[in-house]
Amino acid sequence: AQSVAQPEDQVNVAEGNPLTVKCTYSVSGNPYLFWYVQYPNRGLQFLLKYITGDNLVKGSYGFEAEFNKSQTSFHLKKPSALVSDSALYFCAVRDISGGSYIPTFGRGTSLIVHP
Amino acid sequence: NAGVTQTPKFQVLKTGQSMTLQCAQDMNHNSMYWYRQDPGMGLRLIYYSASEGTTDKGEVPNGYNVSRLNKREFSLRLESAAPSQTSVYFCASNLSPGVDTEAFFGQGTRLTVV
Repeated sequence: AQSVAQPEDQVNVAEGNPLTVKCTYSVSGNPYLFWYVQYPNRGLQFLLKYITGDNLVKGSYGFEAEFNKSQTSFHLKKPSALVSDSALYFCAVRDISGGSYIPTFGRGTSLIVHP
Repeated sequence: NAGVTQTPKFQVLKTGQSMTLQCAQDMNHNSMYWYRQDPGMGLRLIYYSASEGTTDKGEVPNGYNVSRLNKREFSLRLESAAPSQTSVYFCASNLSPGVDTEAFFGQGTRLTVV
């Protein structure tokens, strides 16, 4: 079975400060991991993914995420937050060796960047 | 560059009415999906179609039916709408299941059942 948890419903950060949105996962094999962003009244947009290789993955809009196998985490980070980063962020996981080839999404974390 | 197009964007139904949500993608993707999004619940998969001619149930299929009309189009039907089906519905597509490609989402249909 595969599952993903986003432990924070909301993250607040001041503009210019670094931000972290947390994601932990559970799979029986190796994971494919994704981050998506949803702006108000819009569909989800792909940000970045981890498949294999370097643990630090860089994506769109200056975001990056670090894959940590020992902690089963895939936290989303950005060195300097912008007000325009305020949105809903979703982590998703798929177990490469599992029976399902459909990713499981987390419940989402609302990021609020204050001016 | 339309991507994934959903219609309608908004809909209000009375309990017991039926309707079909339409979805079309122009990226020649094999796989298509229907999700619903509810506050605090994240995205839940309703049905998916791994390829043209196949459909399968997801996590929350009760009360819904789907049709993969052709490679481009995947519709979701509510036969007898219930207030519990008030939600935002998203259609998505990707190249193929089991491949490490990301999904592309439509802008959503906001459905209210009264």
